[in-house]
Amino acid sequence: DSGVTQTPKHLITATGQRVTLRCSPRSGDLSVYWYQQSLDQGLQFLIHYYNGEERAKGNILERFSAQQFPDLHSELNLSSLELGDSALYFCASSVGSGPYNEQFFGPGTRLTVL
Amino acid sequence: DQQVKQNSPSLSVQEGRISILNCDYTNSMFDYFLWYKKYPAEGPTFLISISSIKDKNEDGRFTVFLNKSAKHLSLHIVPSQPGDSAVYFCAATGNQFYFGTGTSLTVIP
Repeated sequence: DSGVTQTPKHLITATGQRVTLRCSPRSGDLSVYWYQQSLDQGLQFLIHYYNGEERAKGNILERFSAQQFPDLHSELNLSSLELGDSALYFCASSVGSGPYNEQFFGPGTRLTVL
Repeated sequence: DQQVKQNSPSLSVQEGRISILNCDYTNSMFDYFLWYKKYPAEGPTFLISISSIKDKNEDGRFTVFLNKSAKHLSLHIVPSQPGDSAVYFCAATGNQFYFGTGTSLTVIP
């Protein structure tokens, strides 16, 4: 158990809908990262927050947004969902903001868009 | 554009032998490299890392080698154990993290 929790574990929804994925980092970790893993793809970095502030953006679509709240949990919002958005979404947390801090991954949320 | 590539989707090795997992990258600005291990239904877990100022880092049965001129990274597992069976991702960092597509390692008892 990494100490990072993600809810829900599974989510099935329809095209055009909007969903929110939630991540609670390990106690004491200030950074939260979001990743998408599509079928046969590696993890694609989406976005990084540190202590409530956005630090880096990767290949995140404009239909997706995220935020980190004062209690450090984070939410990833996916809207106008398309079939291609079906994927595993992981969040990870780390103590610091730099790339040398070990990231601890949650178990992921499997999103299925029908 | 895949900046980190793992060209072998799968690898099978006998227990006790060496497992060698390979990774290539394209961006010479990457300065830190990592390997993660992933079991089914779990998130990836950090295994070992190496800075670009080194060419080798060892941790128990796991050794990572970095060849900057070839932009090539490899993970050696010696001896391989059945519990090592998992998907292994390499990753590189610049301004963000870039992950490969993973290599599924099966260690045969």
